[in-house]
Amino acid sequence: QVQLQESGPGLVKPSQTLSLTCTVSGGSIRTTSYYWSWIRQSAGKGLEWIGRIYGSGNADYSPSLKSRVTISVDTSKNHFSLNVSSVTAADAAVYYCARSWNGHYYYMDVWGKGTTVTVSS
Amino acid sequence: EIVLTQSPVTLSLSPGERATLSCRASQSVSSTYLAWYQQKPGQAPRLLLYGASNRATGFPDRFSGSGSGTDFTLTISRLEPEDFAVYYCQLFGSSLFTFGPGTTVDFK
Repeated sequence: QVQLQESGPGLVKPSQTLSLTCTVSGGSIRTTSYYWSWIRQSAGKGLEWIGRIYGSGNADYSPSLKSRVTISVDTSKNHFSLNVSSVTAADAAVYYCARSWNGHYYYMDVWGKGTTVTVSS
Repeated sequence: EIVLTQSPVTLSLSPGERATLSCRASQSVSSTYLAWYQQKPGQAPRLLLYGASNRATGFPDRFSGSGSGTDFTLTISRLEPEDFAVYYCQLFGSSLFTFGPGTTVDFK
């Protein structure tokens, strides 16, 4: 059974780069059946999709974040990563990674537990 | 970019009652691109329905989904205590995912 686990610093200073990793266990990140997504949720708010990456490295990003976001994949470590540059208080959120089906239907069926990121000096 | 709206914002009901949640897209979409999630406090979202009407693993048949075009509905036929949560609809289009703002189902 595939499981996802987010990791990374819980505190980032304004203007710096937020870096998180999602480790995939119980399955290969190289599978052609799935994409791997990042989603965030600010306190008391709804869900915001950040972007997704395929095992081959092809990525798609939310237009609203595209200029500051990079998602990469390391197949040797079976993990994928998120970088958000020039962070502000608006980037403080719970960050989730999720597996998204690459097929007829489009949904995210396996989620990590989430990791909280605070932006403060 | 397609925008999703959900209504009502909050639905206050009692166990045993029927819940009807709406998700509306700003333009017509294929139902294969529409999913619903359930989120409880302090937990990650959990896939509930995909393809607008297909239940995900672990959810009982009191949950059902319907709709087409721009209007989609999640129905919980008889609310159980564990169903009180926030429900989000999600759409895929133009290589990106979009979530609705959510509907909170809480105790009356």
